[in-house]
Amino acid sequence: QKEVEQDPGPLSVPEGAIVSLNCTYSNSAFQYFMWYRQYSRKGPELLMYTYSSGNKEDGRFTAQVDKSSKYISLFIRDSQPSDSATYLCAMSDGGYNKLIFGAGTRLAVHP
Amino acid sequence: GAGVSQSPSNKVTEKGKDVELRCDPISGHTALYWYRQSLGQGLEFLIYFQGNSAPDKSGLPSDRFSAERTGGSVSTLTIQRTQQEDSAVYLCASRLAGEETQYFGPGTRLLVL
Repeated sequence: QKEVEQDPGPLSVPEGAIVSLNCTYSNSAFQYFMWYRQYSRKGPELLMYTYSSGNKEDGRFTAQVDKSSKYISLFIRDSQPSDSATYLCAMSDGGYNKLIFGAGTRLAVHP
Repeated sequence: GAGVSQSPSNKVTEKGKDVELRCDPISGHTALYWYRQSLGQGLEFLIYFQGNSAPDKSGLPSDRFSAERTGGSVSTLTIQRTQQEDSAVYLCASRLAGEETQYFGPGTRLLVL
């Protein structure tokens, strides 16, 4: 079993929909949680960063962390075709260590 | 400011040849990471540098892989005697001291024929 599980999709939604992306993990030592967006043939771009449990909002994006359930989510409101990309969750146990990534979810937002 | 840069963008090589991949981190970032992204394996950690030292090399898949960092800045990942299974995108990330977030470069796409 992988340390971080993420449904690879693909997920196809109409423009304007609310998108929910999720990851589960098994290592209770993880404290830092990130979401990256990766466009085709580009490097991952940091979207959201959260420490420990709780919610964080940035524009149309909301990240949630539930450490008791070992479950993290990224919500995208009013999705746009430009949001079409692969979304990667990543986490670490702190101490500036390596990131452990999920497999990535491919999202397609169609007009 | 400038982000992480990597070169070359693409590299095609023949099985058995050596390749060198270069990473220029964001100016002032003391930590540097190499990852590999392949279809079947996702994004996997290779090695971590703090300054010129590598406290974590646990992700290097074999002794054909090595990396160095000089002057606390540029890093080179070397793959000797390349194999077809080395074909992947090699990504570099850098991090500012005291922060957890890592910023990625565009990657080098390596194809071993």
